Amino acid sequence: GAGVSQTPSNKVTEKGKYVELRCDPISGHTALYWYRQSLGQGPEFLIYFQGTGAADDSGLPNDRFFAVRPEGSVSTLKIQRTERGDSAVYLCASSLYPSEGYNEQFFGPGTRLTVL
Amino acid sequence: SQQGEEDPQALSIQEGENATMNCSYKTSINNLQWYRQNSGRGLVHLILIRSNEREKHSGRLRVTLDTSKKSSSLLITASRAADTASYFCAETDSWGKLQFGAGTQVVVTP
Repeated sequence: GAGVSQTPSNKVTEKGKYVELRCDPISGHTALYWYRQSLGQGPEFLIYFQGTGAADDSGLPNDRFFAVRPEGSVSTLKIQRTERGDSAVYLCASSLYPSEGYNEQFFGPGTRLTVL
Repeated sequence: SQQGEEDPQALSIQEGENATMNCSYKTSINNLQWYRQNSGRGLVHLILIRSNEREKHSGRLRVTLDTSKKSSSLLITASRAADTASYFCAETDSWGKLQFGAGTQVVVTP
């Protein structure tokens, strides 16, 4: 079956604009994660969904960042009033269920966000 | 914030040689996972080692875990040019959340 997909693959926006990044997880995967990766760094956790609810949003940097997963499948990461420091690759991952962390995560190709 | 630290940051070897990279972590873990990333985009899961395991093999990969030292190592044997990538270790908490290190950039030359 299809893997995790993310759209758009690249997004260029101006400072202060609003952006939405979309993630389509693998069908049947109940757990969905968002990460952000800056150049030369490892991915940093942003938020985790179990089903429709955000079980852990401790990685969101501030209240300009928000994510939803209304039907427990597709998720959208929303960034308001973008800043140049938001430029990064945003990665989405899904897994069957976290179950004490034993399940591997399947990553999408990422969305490269550039804020001018 | 980054949790683990990989060592070395970069590694350059020739095809056929072995590549070893190490990872140290700070907290108690449920398990530790290793991922590979090509060209700065999607990550691919390589291997998962549980906190009660000490060594695990998968093809040309060998992972060890020393919970007393809070460290893990990844060995790639008989490396190939296609192994050129960045390699990350990641601690996993009970929710499955991954906390990655900064990674080791491996270059394998023919």
